[in-house]
This record gives sequence, structure tokens and C-alpha cells, in this order.
Amino acid sequence: AQKITQTQPGMFVQEKEAVTLDCTYDTSDPSYGLFWYKQPSSGEMIFLIYQGSYDQQNATEGRYSLNFQKARKSANLVISASQLGDSAMYFCAMSVNSGNTPLVFGKGTRLSVIA
Amino acid sequence: DTGVSQNPRHKITKRGQNVTFRCDPISEHNRLYWYRQTLGQGPEFLTYFQNEAQLEKSRLLSDRFSAERPKGSFSTLEIQRTEQGDSAMYLCASRTNYEQYFGPGTRLTVT
Repeated sequence: AQKITQTQPGMFVQEKEAVTLDCTYDTSDPSYGLFWYKQPSSGEMIFLIYQGSYDQQNATEGRYSLNFQKARKSANLVISASQLGDSAMYFCAMSVNSGNTPLVFGKGTRLSVIA
Repeated sequence: DTGVSQNPRHKITKRGQNVTFRCDPISEHNRLYWYRQTLGQGPEFLTYFQNEAQLEKSRLLSDRFSAERPKGSFSTLEIQRTEQGDSAMYLCASRTNYEQYFGPGTRLTVT
């Protein structure tokens, strides 16, 4: 069975600063994918970034980067130059079998960006 | 491409009533997923389809829940004899490669 752990219920960051949201995972499947989603107060889940287990380089998408440390089974999300609009819930998730299985989510981290 | 849509966005029903939700995926996506999210939790998987075939159902999906995807296009999720514990956000997602794109969700309140 797969498991995602997000240990930070809430985080605060100053506008324009960088912030790291922690995620650890557990699976015995060698082929898996790791995802980060943003959920604003409106409720919609917005896909941010993806990292495959065989990818050699850390994924980046604009201000988002994924710090993938396979040996530690961690997939932390780094948001650079935080903006007020980044305030939301952030969920880490994984899928195994080359991404063909449904997503397993963590409990999320609530990020608050302060002006 | 208008994204994944869900209807209704909100549903209030009395305990014991039946409700049905609809999800329209992104047109070229062959996989469609249903998740349920309760307050303070991440989404939990309910069931998924590849085209019209229902490939997997979670143990969370009691016999009061049924889902269909006729012709491999839109999908419906029906809950019979609703209970207060069914109150949650019901999310639909579709995918073609690896990332799943979510709809806005249907928030169900059972009174």
C-alpha cells in the first residue's frame, strides 16, 4: 500500500520569500509518480508539478520546483518568490505502476503568505 | 478545452434521499476518477473508469454508491439512501498521460 505523509499542518511565509513544503512517501513499487496540487478556498484541485521515480532531474514548473530525494523517500515542494495568491492548501500525492493507479493524497499543508 | 466540469456544484438533501452527480471530463481523456474529500483531509479515491469500463472500486464505495460512464464520455455517481456521513466534497478527475485534472467538485450536505 502507498502512503503520503505531510507533517506541516500550516506554514507562514513572507511575500517574495521562498518556502518549502514537506512530503514523504512510502511504496514498494519501483515505478511511481509524485504530484503536488494546490487547493484554493474555492475548492478546485490545481495540478502544479509532477516527478517520476526514474526521472534523473528534479522537476521544475515556473516558481515551483520539486526537491526529489529518492533515498529519503521525500518529495518536497519549493515555491520561490511567494505571492499572496499562493495562500491555499497544498497536497502531495502519488500514483504507482507508472502512474496508472489512482492518486493517494496526504493530509495537506495550509500555506499563508503574509504581505 | 474547457476542463473538467461537474454538476451540480452544491447539493443539499435530506437523509434517506437519493442524489446523482455528473462529471464531464476533458474530451480526449480516457481515464476518469471519482474522489471524496471531507473537511481537513486530502481526497480519497472512490472509483475509476477507463473508457466505459469501471476498473477499480475502493472499499469506501459501499453498496449505496454506484457509478457509471456510458459510452466512455461523461460519468454519473449516485448515492442511494443518503446518510449524514456522506456529506463531503465529491471530486472528479480525468487524465490521459500522468497528471490528473480535477473538476470544481460537488459539495454534498446531508441534513
